[in-house]
Amino acid sequence: DQQVKQNSPSLSVQEGRISILNCDYTNSMFDYFLWYKKYPAEGPTFLISISSIKDKNEDGRFTVFLNKSAKHLSLHIVPSQPGDSAVYFCAAKGGNTPLVFGKGTRLSVIA
Amino acid sequence: DAMVIQNPRYQVTQFGKPVTLSCSQTLNHNVMYWYQQKSSQAPKLLFHYYDKDFNNEADTPDNFQSRRPNTSFCFLDIRSPGLGDAAMYLCATSREDGQPQHFGDGTRLSIL
Repeated sequence: DQQVKQNSPSLSVQEGRISILNCDYTNSMFDYFLWYKKYPAEGPTFLISISSIKDKNEDGRFTVFLNKSAKHLSLHIVPSQPGDSAVYFCAAKGGNTPLVFGKGTRLSVIA
Repeated sequence: DAMVIQNPRYQVTQFGKPVTLSCSQTLNHNVMYWYQQKSSQAPKLLFHYYDKDFNNEADTPDNFQSRRPNTSFCFLDIRSPGLGDAAMYLCATSREDGQPQHFGDGTRLSIL
């Protein structure tokens, strides 16, 4: 049973627009959430994280929003650039649970 | 540059023939992880080492073993690979458990 769900396998966005990637989780013990970015033939790279004591964390063009009551988080990229085209993985952790990943969303930013 | 290096990038083995994948790190991180990722699936944690303490996930098959002879190196041994073990194997490290993990570029394992 998937504890971390990324329901959109793919997303296409025009360059300069906002990209919004969504992630839902089921385990209420999760208290730390991360986004990873993966280019083809490379390993995932840590992008941004958020603790459950916050509802927003911002780093440059990347912002993660956390809605604990809805068990939902999202990654906003604005403005989107062609170099942002990659697979984005949502991951979550809590207590003694290992890091649990979603299946990923492939983002294509079209010039 | 400090990094996580996996060798080889591509590995082909025969059904039932033991295979070892290797991972090294220059980050001096305490924790090393092995993940299995199949096509269009989430990376799945197999096991991790906190220093020399080995932690096996409950659903990791007995066919998979790991060794960490020192801080820098960690090995994944598959004793008798089956066709279902064909996957990308990712190694990762973190300074402490729960902190963001740094991944290698993976080893893609094919089984003939």
